[in-house]
Amino acid sequence: AQRVTQPEKLLSVFKGAPVELKCNYSYSGSPELFWYVQYSRQRLQLLLRHISRESIKGFTADLNKGETSFHLKKPFAQEEDSAMYYCALSGRNTGFQKLVFGTGTRLLVSP
Amino acid sequence: DAGVTQSPTHLIKTRGQQVTLRCSPKSGHDTVSWYQQALGQGPQFIFQYYEEEERQRGNFPDRFSGHQFPNYSSELNVNALLLGDSALYLCASSHTSGRSYNEQFFGPGTRLTVL
Repeated sequence: AQRVTQPEKLLSVFKGAPVELKCNYSYSGSPELFWYVQYSRQRLQLLLRHISRESIKGFTADLNKGETSFHLKKPFAQEEDSAMYYCALSGRNTGFQKLVFGTGTRLLVSP
Repeated sequence: DAGVTQSPTHLIKTRGQQVTLRCSPKSGHDTVSWYQQALGQGPQFIFQYYEEEERQRGNFPDRFSGHQFPNYSSELNVNALLLGDSALYLCASSHTSGRSYNEQFFGPGTRLTVL
């Protein structure tokens, strides 16, 4: 079965500190991995996907197939990064169009 | 473009009733997906509509049904409401192109409370 696990419900850091939001997945085959973000009072939006290999708002995520992980990292957190972050996967086994989400991690960046 | 829109914003129903939620996709999109997000959980896929047909379905009972109209808008219907159906219902639209994942754009959601 396809599953996404985000072990931390809440991650609290100070401004300027490094951030790592953990995501592990279970999938038979080659999934596509995503990070979605939801800022306060805004809708869920795509932050980045692993195939793009982009850095968005200073965030990066590397797919580690050996550890089945897709952790989201940022070297220096900003207050505006405070939001709910969801890791998600898709792929042939899910019919490509279905997203399987984790339970989310709330990132709180304090001044 | 207002993006994906959903109505109503909030809804309160009692057990056993039926509810209809509506979604208008982003301009240029032809595919609509519905997700249920219970409190403290991530969104769970209900089903997806493309070309007015249900293309894919998640692990939800037949009480959950949907429809897509020729203008690509969609409805989610839930019959015989249970307390456990209380959740935020998200609509997401995309443009189907090929067999790989097509980015889904989410609406603001409809908050359903079942008493």
